[in-house]
Formats: sequence, C-alpha cells, structure tokens
Amino acid sequence: EPEVTQTPSHQVTQMGQEVILRCVPISNHLYFYWYRQILGQKVEFLVSFYNNEISEKSEIFDDQFSVERPDGSNFTLKIRSTKLEDSAMYFCATARDRGGEKLFFGSGTQLSVL
Amino acid sequence: RKEVEQDPGPFNVPEGATVAFNCTYSNSASQSFFWYRQDCRKEPKLLMSVYSSGNEDGRFTAQLNRASQYISLLIRDSKLSDSATYLCVPKLNDYKLSFGAGTTVTVRA
Repeated sequence: EPEVTQTPSHQVTQMGQEVILRCVPISNHLYFYWYRQILGQKVEFLVSFYNNEISEKSEIFDDQFSVERPDGSNFTLKIRSTKLEDSAMYFCATARDRGGEKLFFGSGTQLSVL
Repeated sequence: RKEVEQDPGPFNVPEGATVAFNCTYSNSASQSFFWYRQDCRKEPKLLMSVYSSGNEDGRFTAQLNRASQYISLLIRDSKLSDSATYLCVPKLNDYKLSFGAGTTVTVRA
C-alpha cells in the first residue's frame, strides 16, 4: 500500500526556535492535512490544504503556524516560534479525492519543545 | 458540548468475547462517519465507514442513529490484535474530520 512519509520522526528543539516538519504525500493525492496529538489527548485537526491554499484551519493554527508545498512534492508545516505547549505528535494525512473517505496518515513527527 | 464524545474505557475483554461501544456527536450536519483505529503512539488508520443502514466488515459491525446522533461499533470474536484505541470520526465537511478521544479496548488471552 502507498505510504505518506514524514520526516523527521523525532524533533527536539528549544522554546522560541523555528521548526519545519516535512511530509511526502502519496503521489496522486491532492488534499493534505496536518493533525496533532498531545500525549494522552485526542487527535486534533490543524489545517487542510488544497490547490496550494489553505481550505480550512482550526483555532490552534494561529499566526505561528504556516503550511506550504515548496516544490510540488513535499508538504511542510512550519512553527515559527515554538512554545512548550507545541510538544506533540504531528501527523500529516493525505487524500486522493475531495471529501475522501480514507485519510492516509504518516507515522508522525514527535516534536519535543524544551 | 464536545463535538464527539466517547466512553474512554478501557474495555477489558477475554479473547472470543463480544465488545460494543458508542460515540455521540453534536453536529447534526455531519455528513458521514468513520471508525479509525489507533495503536499506541501510532498513526490512526481507517477501520470502516459507517453507513445509515448499518454495515459489517468481517467481525466488525457499525451502526448509525442519526435521530439520537450516535454511532456504535461492535466487535465479535475478539482477537488479541484487536487491542487498540477506537476513534469515532464524524466528517463535518469535505475538508475536516473531527476525531473523538477514543475508546480503549484490551483483549486478554
């Protein structure tokens, strides 16, 4: 089965630093998402992205967050100035169709902000 | 009221048992519904969609009650490999799935 690839698997950073989390979507997928999961809590929607623009974003996705597809293949999530509370597992997910029933998730990037 | 509410469990059941649990959702405009499965510290994976008429996939049966705004999942003949957290997921629109906090099931030998 095709896979969504995320790098790095773990990222440790100091508070206030910028981080970029990377995702390689499945090749024919057009809809991209970022979710996060704080340890022991539920999976939370951050943002959806289609046709090089944000389709929807949550309250969590404030000005410190941004997404882009810089080279038409990678899909990145940037956190400009990390806070302690940004520590979480970040999942990239992709779908082939609009409203696609099946989201394919990557294995996640564990972000630890110290 | 939370968008999605689930009994966190854990449901501890012996192999071969049947286990069932529900999820309630608050947004009556939710278009469709899914059950995802999440193993410890892994990514969620789609288990099955939930159709209005109810549907089965092997040992798994899902039901939807739009009037009462809940969906259910029943697992028959539980296997050790069914141990996981089951996430209730209503789709609010084409661009967003909203995940419940999950129900943990532990199947013991």
